[in-house]
Amino acid sequence: QQQVKQSPQSLIVQKGGISIINCAYENTAFDYFPWYQQFPGKGPALLIAIRPDVSEKKEGRFTISFNKSAKQFSLHIMDSQPGDSATYFCAASLPASNYQLIWGAGTKLIIKP
Amino acid sequence: NAGVTQTPKFQVLKTGQSMTLQCAQDMNHEYMSWYRQDPGMGLRLIHYSVGAGITDQGEVPNGYNVSRSTTEDFPLRLLSAAPSQTSVYFCASTGLEETQYFGPGTRLLVL
Repeated sequence: QQQVKQSPQSLIVQKGGISIINCAYENTAFDYFPWYQQFPGKGPALLIAIRPDVSEKKEGRFTISFNKSAKQFSLHIMDSQPGDSATYFCAASLPASNYQLIWGAGTKLIIKP
Repeated sequence: NAGVTQTPKFQVLKTGQSMTLQCAQDMNHEYMSWYRQDPGMGLRLIHYSVGAGITDQGEVPNGYNVSRSTTEDFPLRLLSAAPSQTSVYFCASTGLEETQYFGPGTRLLVL
């Protein structure tokens, strides 16, 4: 019930293509869904986040799509660039949980030039 | 702002040794946490703190201790290192809108 399942484990996309990473959850009480980006040798950094009252949020080339009925949310990277090559983590949290995040296992994204 | 800082960057320990991983933040955040990151397992919460003097266990607390005497500092102690504790350790503090700010990590190898 507390898990967030992330897929795929790894992804290779050509430069200029669309990268799509998916996450699924069971607990309908989750109310915050962030995506974090991690470059090799660095700590994760918040990329974009969404709450369940909206179905989509866009920031530049990055979009979160949220499907409440399917209990799924996904990250779309448009016009993918080699600089987007990183590991991406989805996460979720419950209200009044002291900000504890339940993390997906991560997706290693490689953008080929 | 230095953000979240961690020391050391890299450490090699022998089984049974103890050590303290340091973490400090200068953003005046009340909530801080320690994670370990292992390949294919994402980030797992070890301990967290909601303010000075208050700490609690996360998902994988065994073998680790924490304390929070000030808002700024949140050290993680390994009591008796084991090879299973070989990992990358991240400290994070949580700011507005639940955003977590991570340090650069400590890479620990236990032989």
